[in-house]
Amino acid sequence: GIQVEQSPPDLILQEGANSTLRCNFSDSVNNLQWFHQNPWGQLINLFYIPSGTKQNGRLSATTVATERYSLLYISSSQTTDSGVYFCAVVFSGGYNKLIFGAGTRLAVHP
Amino acid sequence: DAGITQSPRHKVTETGTPVTLRCHQTENHRYMYWYRQDPGHGLRLIHYSYGVKDTDKGEVSDGYSVSRSKTEDFLLTLESATSSQTSVYFCAISKLRDRVHTEGHGYTFGSGTRLTVV
Repeated sequence: GIQVEQSPPDLILQEGANSTLRCNFSDSVNNLQWFHQNPWGQLINLFYIPSGTKQNGRLSATTVATERYSLLYISSSQTTDSGVYFCAVVFSGGYNKLIFGAGTRLAVHP
Repeated sequence: DAGITQSPRHKVTETGTPVTLRCHQTENHRYMYWYRQDPGHGLRLIHYSYGVKDTDKGEVSDGYSVSRSKTEDFLLTLESATSSQTSVYFCAISKLRDRVHTEGHGYTFGSGTRLTVV
């Protein structure tokens, strides 16, 4: 069936470390977004990236649509990066329904 | 951001009672969604709407109904709440035009409603 899989499920970092989060999806997509859910539960839109590479400060993302995966890079991590990172996709023919992965829970320690 | 407000923010209700959650947007977007978030599941789609009085089911729609009588409001109703419906509920809008996502036209989420059914 249609799936969005994220890895790793949990990640613990020391402040200043770099990390890569991965999202695999089972079919072609029209839309892919990365979200950060902060400890207060707010969902923050990080990237809209159905293909290609984008950068925003210490964060960058790459989606290789032909190989059905996306990567989120966090460099020089800070404690404020803690929270849950979600990948979500709209599958082609999925009538604009955003489907979420289970998330990667990140804890950055000082 | 995108003028989405959810109400109430928190609610505790008893099993068997009806509950209605409200999502209000100020930007006249066509597409609106209700999700629930539970540990280990990410966010799962309950129902969505693609226009006034146009709604459809998502992956976890059992026990829920929705209504959209105005563009700006999307209501989620639990006809008879059960403990399994204890969750955090998020509303979202999609800045979609003509079924095509273009740069910057992604999804935006409200702040969530924490519902506890006792």
